Amino acid sequence: SQQGEEDPQALSIQEGENATMNCSYKTSINNLQWYRQNSGRGLVHLILIRSNEREKHSGRLRVTLDTSKKSSSLLITASRAADTASYFCATDPDSGGGADGLTFGKGTHLIIQP
Amino acid sequence: DAMVIQNPRYQVTQFGKPVTLSCSQTLNHNVMYWYQQKSSQAPKLLFHYYDKDFNNEADTPDNFQSRRPNTSFCFLDIRSPGLGDAAMYLCATSASKYYNEQFFGPGTRLTVL
Repeated sequence: SQQGEEDPQALSIQEGENATMNCSYKTSINNLQWYRQNSGRGLVHLILIRSNEREKHSGRLRVTLDTSKKSSSLLITASRAADTASYFCATDPDSGGGADGLTFGKGTHLIIQP
Repeated sequence: DAMVIQNPRYQVTQFGKPVTLSCSQTLNHNVMYWYQQKSSQAPKLLFHYYDKDFNNEADTPDNFQSRRPNTSFCFLDIRSPGLGDAAMYLCATSASKYYNEQFFGPGTRLTVL
């Protein structure tokens, strides 16, 4: 069953602007991860935030996690044309056994206009 | 460079004709996953191996099987492909049982005629 839901489904902004994508999920998690996928390609891991963390940075990326609201956001600052891609949040459920696969949301398709 | 490799990148098969997709990794990761991704949809987990321990998702059709003969290789067998099985198939690996950042291959796009 679908765990994560990204919002918005599509986002188009001008180069240099900031892009914010949101993700909501339903069950308890060990961690939440964000991935990028260029058209027709595999996924690239961007950042992992653990359930006991509230914010994490990596270069131009900033991720927040609010476990009380079961939501996360991904902020890309100073966007570039190369950031055009689909962005997926993925949750690692807290099922107790570990090594379970991730449950992906439907993704946000981000277009950066030059 | 350590990586996840999938072959072939594009596979065309006929309705009902068995097909095998392959994945290899040079990361020496214990865990390997197979996902199915249909157009404009989220990747959906089919099954995964923790070492040689096979874990099948409850809603993965029996038509899909997997083999992992050693740490480096994992295969996805589709015994009788239907038109609905046309999709991108993604292989991924992770090093640890917990906090499993996953490394994905480029995917194999399967077309069923």
